[in-house]
Amino acid sequence: EPEVTQTPSHQVTQMGQEVILRCVPISNHLYFYWYRQILGQKVEFLVSFYNNEISEKSEIFDDQFSVERPDGSNFTLKIRSTKLEDSAMYFCASSERSGSTGELFFGEGSRLTVL
Amino acid sequence: GNSVTQMEGPVTLSEEAFLTINCTYTATGYPSLFWYVQYPGEGLQLLLKATKADDKGSNKGFEATYRKETTSFHLEKGSVQVSDSAVYFCALSSNSGGSNYKLTFGKGTLLTVNP
Repeated sequence: EPEVTQTPSHQVTQMGQEVILRCVPISNHLYFYWYRQILGQKVEFLVSFYNNEISEKSEIFDDQFSVERPDGSNFTLKIRSTKLEDSAMYFCASSERSGSTGELFFGEGSRLTVL
Repeated sequence: GNSVTQMEGPVTLSEEAFLTINCTYTATGYPSLFWYVQYPGEGLQLLLKATKADDKGSNKGFEATYRKETTSFHLEKGSVQVSDSAVYFCALSSNSGGSNYKLTFGKGTLLTVNP
């Protein structure tokens, strides 16, 4: 069964360092998303991406964050200068189509710990 | 804005017990409603969904009915198994503009089923 894969599963970094989280969405999917969950809190929407551009981003997704689809298969989330409050589980998701009935397929998550 | 409130966990049950996890929502328009499940070490998986009022979503013995009058989408299962132990997330999707939809999640409820 096709699945969304994410790497790394866990990354520990120092405050101020750049981090890149990688995702390989399901191959025929067109819509891509990043969500995050700070420990003990809700899963929050960060950004959606379609046709090589950001469709929507949340207030959390400030200038420190960027997304890219560099080669037609990977979908990356970059945090330019990490802060302690960026520590969270980051989930990548993809969907075949948009629309409220379109199912999102999630990866297993990348846990980021900022020290 | 949109929000989802679900029952605080953790919930611990014995095998074959009846399960209810409450979920209520606030949304503009006519959202679709979802339950996602996260088994240990895995990503979020869609468990069931309902796209309009009075629809009942069901899967793997789980059921939830979209109740517009009470803005609720409670998850139920008549007889839980040890293998149902997981974190359950209630979510709604809303049209965030154009053709793009995003999910708003609840905090998640950890269910542990003991043999």
